[in-house]
Amino acid sequence: GENVEQHPSTLSVQEGDSAVIKCTYSDSASNYFPWYKQELGKRPQLIIDIRSNVGEKKDQRIAVTLNKTAKHFSLHITETQPEDSAVYFCAASIPMVFGAGTILRVKS
Amino acid sequence: DVKVTQSSRYLVKRTGEKVFLECVQDMDHENMFWYRQDPGLGLRLIYFSYDVKMKEKGDIPEGYSVSREKKERFSLILESASTNQTSMYLCASSLSGLATYEQYFGPGTRLTVT
Repeated sequence: GENVEQHPSTLSVQEGDSAVIKCTYSDSASNYFPWYKQELGKRPQLIIDIRSNVGEKKDQRIAVTLNKTAKHFSLHITETQPEDSAVYFCAASIPMVFGAGTILRVKS
Repeated sequence: DVKVTQSSRYLVKRTGEKVFLECVQDMDHENMFWYRQDPGLGLRLIYFSYDVKMKEKGDIPEGYSVSREKKERFSLILESASTNQTSMYLCASSLSGLATYEQYFGPGTRLTVT
């Protein structure tokens, strides 16, 4: 079955800096790659997703890139703000297999 | 606005008890899922269902069973609770088909087994 690895497990950045979280997957048949954000004490919510026929997708300050050949995808957050502090999960495949999560702390 | 609700936010049970966790969604979603969330392990899929009375095992089904008698309701059952089942349990639902795979999560049930 699918296996998803996510790095780093924790990430601290200064407000205004960029943050990058990377995930690798094992099943070349996977074709859907979402990112979920979970704020402290709240439920995970989808922030962006990408399908395998697209290499990059942007939504304001967040973007996701996908390299199907290397089987990895990344979340990029630019101009980070304190409200970006949360746990971020990547996932792959249907039904979804999630990465272990990245705790992002944005220091003001 | 999609609403996914879970029967309890916090639950404390004793070892050996039978435990029922219920999830209800109000958006007529075909797919429903049960995950457990543990620090450093992410969200792990226990069971999922693509339709009423249908169920599929996820990655960690041992010690759990599920029931889906109605489209809007998906129950997770711990037949004989054990301490290693202490965890946060999250339910989710989604539409079927290729249009969208977005999963909508419930608020979670934090289960403690003593």
